Amino acid sequence: DAKTTQPPSMDCAEGRAANLPCNHSTISGNEYVYWYRQIHSQGPQYIIHGLKNNETNEMASLIITEDRKSSTLILPHATLRDTAVYYCIVRSNTGNQFYFGTGTSLTVIP
Amino acid sequence: GAVVSQHPSRVICKSGTSVKIECRSLDFQATTMFWYRQFPKQSLMLMATSNEGSKATYEQGVEKDKFLINHASLTLSTLTVTSAHPEDSSFYICSATDGGTGEAFFGQGTRLTVV
Repeated sequence: DAKTTQPPSMDCAEGRAANLPCNHSTISGNEYVYWYRQIHSQGPQYIIHGLKNNETNEMASLIITEDRKSSTLILPHATLRDTAVYYCIVRSNTGNQFYFGTGTSLTVIP
Repeated sequence: GAVVSQHPSRVICKSGTSVKIECRSLDFQATTMFWYRQFPKQSLMLMATSNEGSKATYEQGVEKDKFLINHASLTLSTLTVTSAHPEDSSFYICSATDGGTGEAFFGQGTRLTVV
């Protein structure tokens, strides 16, 4: 079962930073936080993942709170092509399955 | 990066017929693959875990006799929707775990329409 809570929808102005929150208060010590996004009628696309340290890659930054009970995905300069449903998922490093929650539908507005 | 390919991307079939969907890992060996189903405006729902060389493990509420899964090689898993009905119309997505790195990759999905 999904172990994360996300707001159902958010808007962001094009060119601004999009900050997507996720609550995972029951996360276990060996569970990572993964972020995927799904553009309409496509398969999920990997964005980033982390355990406890903040992470950054070419797509986004992931900020994980010190108690690991929540995290924020940051898209630094949102574009129209970032409009998608963003899923926050917790998964152990020895586990395989991804259980998807309801995600956040992000709309980037021109 | 690693690629997971699904075929076909779209299929329309008549009610009562069976449809086979293929999921291939193109540049890595996947000992485990997963099948998801997604209805419009809903999230992905895990249907089953496909293990190479052994029987698939189905999530609660998923009929194993209706959704036949075969994972005969380290690069191919197939999902067969048997005796399809209109309520089986959905977006089916597979994912594969790279046995070496543990990373998961998703296919592009298959849109099934049963008429």
